[in-house]
Amino acid sequence: QLQLQESGPGLVKPSETLALTCTVSGGSITNNNYYWDWIRQPPGKGLEWVGNIYYSGRTYYNPSLKSRLTISVDTSKNQFSLRLTSVTAADTAVYFCARLKLETNTLDYWGQGTLVTVSS
Amino acid sequence: QSALTQPPSASGSPGQSVTISCTGASSDVGGYNYVSWYQQYPGKAPKLIVYEVSKRPSGVPDRFSGSKSGNTASLTVSGLQAEDEAEYYCSSYVGANPSWVFGGGTKLTVL
Repeated sequence: QLQLQESGPGLVKPSETLALTCTVSGGSITNNNYYWDWIRQPPGKGLEWVGNIYYSGRTYYNPSLKSRLTISVDTSKNQFSLRLTSVTAADTAVYFCARLKLETNTLDYWGQGTLVTVSS
Repeated sequence: QSALTQPPSASGSPGQSVTISCTGASSDVGGYNYVSWYQQYPGKAPKLIVYEVSKRPSGVPDRFSGSKSGNTASLTVSGLQAEDEAEYYCSSYVGANPSWVFGGGTKLTVL
């Protein structure tokens, strides 16, 4: 059974960099049928697609975050990561990692999510 | 990219049917059959319940059905049950500079 687990600091100061890692278990991140996604959800609000990455390193980003966002992959560790620079309170959210099935463009497996608060 | 438009709330009594709409544009909902619906309980991760407009993953009850007309997709929940009370999100593939977009979410209340 595929599992995804987010990890990283729960508190980040304004203007600093938010960094999270998603560890994939029960399947290989190099499977060519999937992209690996980040989605976030501010407290009490809806879901926002952040971006994704293929095992080769190809990425697609939400245009509204593109200038501050980097998603990378480490196939040796079966992990992918997110870095968001110059954060503000508006970046406070639960961050989910998920698997995107290319054939159907669906997010079929999700991590449990991790809350990141931006505050001094 | 703009979020897809969903009604903030919907409700129905047990046994009734409820339909939730999801309106986009020709660049997303109207242009591709890659509309998905997700169910989310408070404090939990979303769960896929409909994909490619009208298909259901294994294990999802057939009370959940999806459709699409033009730029608007819909999720119908038939035979409402108390456990259906949750937040529902639509999502679509956006072809231009490939990306994906969600709706704002609809809180379904079972009266």
